[in-house]
Amino acid sequence: DIQMTQSPSSLSASVGDRVTITCRSSQGIRNDLGWYQQKPGNAPKRLIYAASSLQSGVPSRFSGGGSGTEFTLTISSLQPEDFATYYCLQHNSYPLTFGQGTRLEIK
Amino acid sequence: QLQLQESGPGLVKPSGTLSLTCTVSGGSISSSTYYWGWIRQPPGKGLEWIGSIFYSGSAYYNPSLKSRVTMSVDTSKNQFFLKLSSVTAADTAVYYCAMTREWYSGAWCAGRHWGQGTLVTVSS
Repeated sequence: DIQMTQSPSSLSASVGDRVTITCRSSQGIRNDLGWYQQKPGNAPKRLIYAASSLQSGVPSRFSGGGSGTEFTLTISSLQPEDFATYYCLQHNSYPLTFGQGTRLEIK
Repeated sequence: QLQLQESGPGLVKPSGTLSLTCTVSGGSISSSTYYWGWIRQPPGKGLEWIGSIFYSGSAYYNPSLKSRVTMSVDTSKNQFFLKLSSVTAADTAVYYCAMTREWYSGAWCAGRHWGQGTLVTVSS
């Protein structure tokens, strides 16, 4: 099974800050990774697919990068609506595996 | 716009079987460009993939749950299903049905569409 190690598990930041969340896979997964945002009481929403492609309708302050075993999600300038929990998901091989999540909180 | 909706009992007794239905609207479950699946989230915890199924019925399960999980699909009703047997309190979670993978922009990608989720509590 491919393990996804996501860091940090929580992050405190201010509006306007630039933040980066990282996912590392236990083996190479090419670019078979997506990033999701989840707000309390809601289903996850896809932000990024194929590691670096921005989902239509998602603000351009979100960006994804990486390939192989190391991936990043960057928010260039935090907005109040961005405070949520973020997950990576690898779909390179079964079983599909999620990162543990990063809870982004307001400082 | 493709939509997914979970349905099923919100309360299941320990040792019983959890059964959920996902109804897909706004698109065909029989498309070869989608994989469908179930993901769960225990209260206050992260996401766990349960399994995925193709419209043909080919299914893939999480090894940690494989002995207890059965997924199936009914293309005539545009629905797919989850059965989880021998449940315990540890199976209490919000269960999401989702498009787990899709052919998008020329490649297989993590799925875009999720249901709103349904809380299933295991308790006597």
